Amino acid sequence: DAKTTQPTSMDCAEGRAANLPCNHSTISGNEYVYWYRQIHSQGPQYIIHGLKNNETNEMASLIITEDRKSSTLILPHATLRDTAVYYCIVRASGSARQLTFGSGTQLTVLP
Amino acid sequence: DTAVSQTPKYLVTQMGNDKSIKCEQNLGHDTMYWYKQDSKKFLKIMFSYNNKELIINETVPNRFSPKSPDKAHLNLHINSLELGDSAVYFCASSQSTGVAQPQHFGDGTRLSIL
Repeated sequence: DAKTTQPTSMDCAEGRAANLPCNHSTISGNEYVYWYRQIHSQGPQYIIHGLKNNETNEMASLIITEDRKSSTLILPHATLRDTAVYYCIVRASGSARQLTFGSGTQLTVLP
Repeated sequence: DTAVSQTPKYLVTQMGNDKSIKCEQNLGHDTMYWYKQDSKKFLKIMFSYNNKELIINETVPNRFSPKSPDKAHLNLHINSLELGDSAVYFCASSQSTGVAQPQHFGDGTRLSIL
């Protein structure tokens, strides 16, 4: 699976959009971009995934650049409950059975 | 309704003991996983079962033995517990092994070895 690079930490004001970047410059054509988050003392929570098109669901939006070498997870109106570690994971079909977690981005939403 | 549930939530035991952790999912998924999160917070895959068949067995000591009695359950038995086994163990499930199928996690079992 392609390696990902994320900032170690970010802050965001409550009510504002949180934009979390992820670099995956070695991504291959059949690899999906997944985002999970882990709130303290809980299990990882699936947020969203995409291949090459931008995706949106009730939790977030995923913007993937045209060359697919980076992506941004957008939480449109961050709340204090969004404080968590956010993981960007690139997942290939050949090794589809597991998720390989990196160190993620600690997002802190400030009141 | 909890989608992926693990028991117990906390497990404190002594070195050398044998213990089991249970996992159940009510999502109707075919694939289940065990992950380990160490003290540095890194999550690593341990095992995966698809339709009760073992499909992933990472480099894990053979003191760890998974068992899947049916598609909805994946249990983890650990023999001769060691200090290094202290960690949080997460169970997860997905519809299938397909790359576009997200995994859904339980809230973990916090294992502490005294």
